[in-house]
Amino acid sequence: GAGVSQSPSNKVTEKGKDVELRCDPISGHTALYWYRQSLGQGLEFLIYFQGNSAPDKSGLPSDRFSAERTGGSVSTLTIQRTQQEDSAVYLCASSLAPGLDTGELFFGEGSRLTVL
Amino acid sequence: AQSVSQHNHHVILSEAASLELGCNYSYGGTVNLFWYVQYPGQHLQLLLKYFSGDPLVKGIKGFEAEFIKSKFSFNLRKPSVQWSDTAEYFCAVNAKDSNYQLIWGAGTKLIIKP
Repeated sequence: GAGVSQSPSNKVTEKGKDVELRCDPISGHTALYWYRQSLGQGLEFLIYFQGNSAPDKSGLPSDRFSAERTGGSVSTLTIQRTQQEDSAVYLCASSLAPGLDTGELFFGEGSRLTVL
Repeated sequence: AQSVSQHNHHVILSEAASLELGCNYSYGGTVNLFWYVQYPGQHLQLLLKYFSGDPLVKGIKGFEAEFIKSKFSFNLRKPSVQWSDTAEYFCAVNAKDSNYQLIWGAGTKLIIKP
């Protein structure tokens, strides 16, 4: 596609429910990142994919969070048993080269998650 | 731990005023430095970056930033702002020993009064 696409753009859920957030990166981009942005905070790194592999999952806040990427393309971030502190904007970004060699990440518009 | 500090969370200026947004980082090694911008209702996009060479880098829309290694700073500047510069600006740092990890500042919301 022309840009990084994320869905849903907005999600309101009840505490304890599972949610799935989707990211469709720019075609041909091998690197994919998930970040979380809470109100008034900078971007918090969650996970990095190079192809289908995730060499660094250290940013995932707890074992309720998981992510996968299939076919070197679409990625899904799953949050199980959501808590109110999970409320945030979840941002996906992709880049053409591995890592930050090109220096530019292309971001989606984010998925705003609200846990009631 | 590495960190990035943006000194001003909110800045309000009138059109044609000069702009300087501060960014300081804590990391003793070699870094790549970035400024990203998020216009209202839009996604984050790269404004400018520094990898090496001339410490004064120029980006889109008349923005520039200067890397001062001794001060661990990468301040963003624009001589004369426009209403369309209203946006949130994020500074980010990549330590060169990690090819993917970006550390982000908390952002500065800039409002330009017409």
